[in-house]
Amino acid sequence: TQLLEQSPQFLSIQEGENLTVYCNSSSVFSSLQWYRQEPGEGPVLLVTVVTGGEVKKLKRLTFQFGDARKDSSLHITAAQTGDTGLYLCAGAPSTGSARQLTFGSGTQLTVLP
Amino acid sequence: GAVVSQHPSWVICKSGTSVKIECRSLDFQATTMFWYRQFPKQSLMLMATSNEGSKATYEQGVEKDKFLINHASLTLSTLTVTSAHPEDSSFYICSARSRGWNSPLHFGNGTRLTVT
Repeated sequence: TQLLEQSPQFLSIQEGENLTVYCNSSSVFSSLQWYRQEPGEGPVLLVTVVTGGEVKKLKRLTFQFGDARKDSSLHITAAQTGDTGLYLCAGAPSTGSARQLTFGSGTQLTVLP
Repeated sequence: GAVVSQHPSWVICKSGTSVKIECRSLDFQATTMFWYRQFPKQSLMLMATSNEGSKATYEQGVEKDKFLINHASLTLSTLTVTSAHPEDSSFYICSARSRGWNSPLHFGNGTRLTVT
C-alpha cells in the first residue's frame, strides 16, 4: 500500500506570511498532484508534477517534486485569506495498471486577516 | 475544462431509507469513476472504483451490499447508500477520468448526506 503523509496537518497563519506544506512517501510515484478543497466542494486541481526535481510556479504558489519522485512540497508566498482551504497531495503509482490516486492525509490551512 | 456533475449536493434522510447519489461526466466519456468518503477536515477515503460495464472494485472495509455502485454508461455512475444509518452521514465525492493511463481526474462537488 502506498501512503502519503502530509505535514503539518493543521496550519494557521497571518495574512502575508509564507508557508510550506510537505508531502512524503517511501514509495515512488509517476506523477504527483496538488489539490485545494473548500468546505462543501470537491477538490480542485492546482498542479501536476511529473519529472523528478521539477519545480512549477502558479502565481504565489511554488510546487516541487523530489528528485526521487517520493516527495513534494508546496510553498505559498505572502499568503492571503483566499488561500484558506484543505490542501491535498495525490500520487499516481509508478507501476502496474492501477489508475487510482493515493491521497495524502491533507493539510488544513487557515489564513487569518 | 472537463466537468463532473454530482447530484444532489445535499440530502437529509431518515434512518433505514436508501439514498442514491449520481455522478455525471458532462463533456467526456468517463471509463473509470471513483467514489470517496470524506470526514470534516480530513482527506478523501477511496470507497470503490468502477469501470463502465463491469462490477465495482471495493476497498477493504467497505460493504458492497450497503454501498451499491452502478456504472451503466460512460457518463453516469450512481452510489446508493442502502438502509442508511446516522453513522453513514458524511461527505461523498465522485471523480471521473477518461481512457488513458495518465488522463486527468475530475471531481464532482460532493454530496453532503445527513441521516437522522
